Amino acid sequence: DSGVTQTPKHLITATGQRVTLRCSPRSGDLSVYWYQQSLDQGLQFLIQYYNGEERAKGNILERFSAQQFPDLHSELNLSSLELGDSALYFCASSERGGSSTDTQYFGPGTRLTVL
Amino acid sequence: AQKVTQAQTEISVVEKEDVTLDCVYETRDTTYYLFWYKQPPSGELVFLIRRNSFDEQNEISGRYSWNFQKSTSSFNFTITASQVVDSAVYFCALSEAGNYGQNFVFGPGTRLSVLP
Repeated sequence: DSGVTQTPKHLITATGQRVTLRCSPRSGDLSVYWYQQSLDQGLQFLIQYYNGEERAKGNILERFSAQQFPDLHSELNLSSLELGDSALYFCASSERGGSSTDTQYFGPGTRLTVL
Repeated sequence: AQKVTQAQTEISVVEKEDVTLDCVYETRDTTYYLFWYKQPPSGELVFLIRRNSFDEQNEISGRYSWNFQKSTSSFNFTITASQVVDSAVYFCALSEAGNYGQNFVFGPGTRLSVLP
């Protein structure tokens, strides 16, 4: 158990809908990272937050947004869902998340299926 | 643009054999970070190692070792005396360091099957 929790584990929804994925980092970790893993795109970094502020952006679509709250949990919002958004979404956390030798701890992932 | 290549799509070995997973990267930055992750059949992602571009020392952790060679832009991963539990997909990744965090690029992964 990495100490990173993600809810829900599975999510099935329809095209055009909006969903929110939640991530709670390990106690004491300030950085949260979101990743998407799909069959056709592979594993992609979406976005990183550090202590409530956006730190880095990867291949995140405009239909997607994220935030990190004062208690350091993070939410990834996916809107106007398309079939191609079906994927496994991972959250990871690390103590810092900049140039130091951080270890990233991954959550179990949320599997999103868009029908 | 940064890129990570893992030319080996799938590798099968018999238990106790040594196996090396190749990773070749491209970047224009002088400061960058390299990573290896393991994804076993259960699906979770396990962080294995992170190296920065200024540290070319090879690293050994138990049966795992990593060979970082800047001259060939490679960061290869060797498992010694492989075990069935090593069966997984292994991803190599690269991030270019900036003032604010990193942007990650993952390789396509190498699926390793260790047969009993």
